[in-house]
Amino acid sequence: SQELEQSPQSLIVQEGKNLTINCTSSKTLYGLYWYKQKYGEGLIFLMMLQKGGEEKSHEKITAKLDEKKQQSSLHITASQPSHAGIYLCGASGAGSYQLTFGKGTKLSVIP
Amino acid sequence: EADIYQTPRYLVIGTGKKITLECSQTMGHDKMYWYQQDPGMELHLIHYSYGVNSTEKGDLSSESTVSRIRTEHFPLTLESARPSHTSQYLCASSNAGQRDGYTFGSGTRLTVV
Repeated sequence: SQELEQSPQSLIVQEGKNLTINCTSSKTLYGLYWYKQKYGEGLIFLMMLQKGGEEKSHEKITAKLDEKKQQSSLHITASQPSHAGIYLCGASGAGSYQLTFGKGTKLSVIP
Repeated sequence: EADIYQTPRYLVIGTGKKITLECSQTMGHDKMYWYQQDPGMELHLIHYSYGVNSTEKGDLSSESTVSRIRTEHFPLTLESARPSHTSQYLCASSNAGQRDGYTFGSGTRLTVV
């Protein structure tokens, strides 16, 4: 089964700093999804990447997909307290609609 | 407004009780899913459905059961709750193309005492 490894597991940054979260898959990626979760709540969809080299942005969050490395990175520019939460990557296998998720990266932003 | 609803948000129940966690979506999605998430842990798929009268077990073995009699409704039932069932249960749905990923409900935090 597909496994997703996220790094780092947790991150504490000062407000205004940039940061990057990585997600590496054990198998070929056919669709990579990024979500954000506030503690004890559901997941909020951020963006989906499908093609190698694809890059998407939403406000100050940018995600890239490196198909060859089977890896995606999530970059936050000028972090704000509102960015705090748990970021999870999810991926589907070939011909599958089921998503497997990484363990998440807990982000804290200090004002 | 299209959305996915889970009730209750929090539930504390005694061992041996039968419980049903409700999940409904108004988006007309054909695919629905149940995930289990322990605090600080990853999500594990326990059930999924690709349409009415279609249900399958996920990667994580679960003593719960599900039903899909209507497109919009995907309830999860535990016949006899145990403390080991204490967890957060997240329901999600997706459309055919899945370009927008899954839409998740707010979750039900279950505590069995």
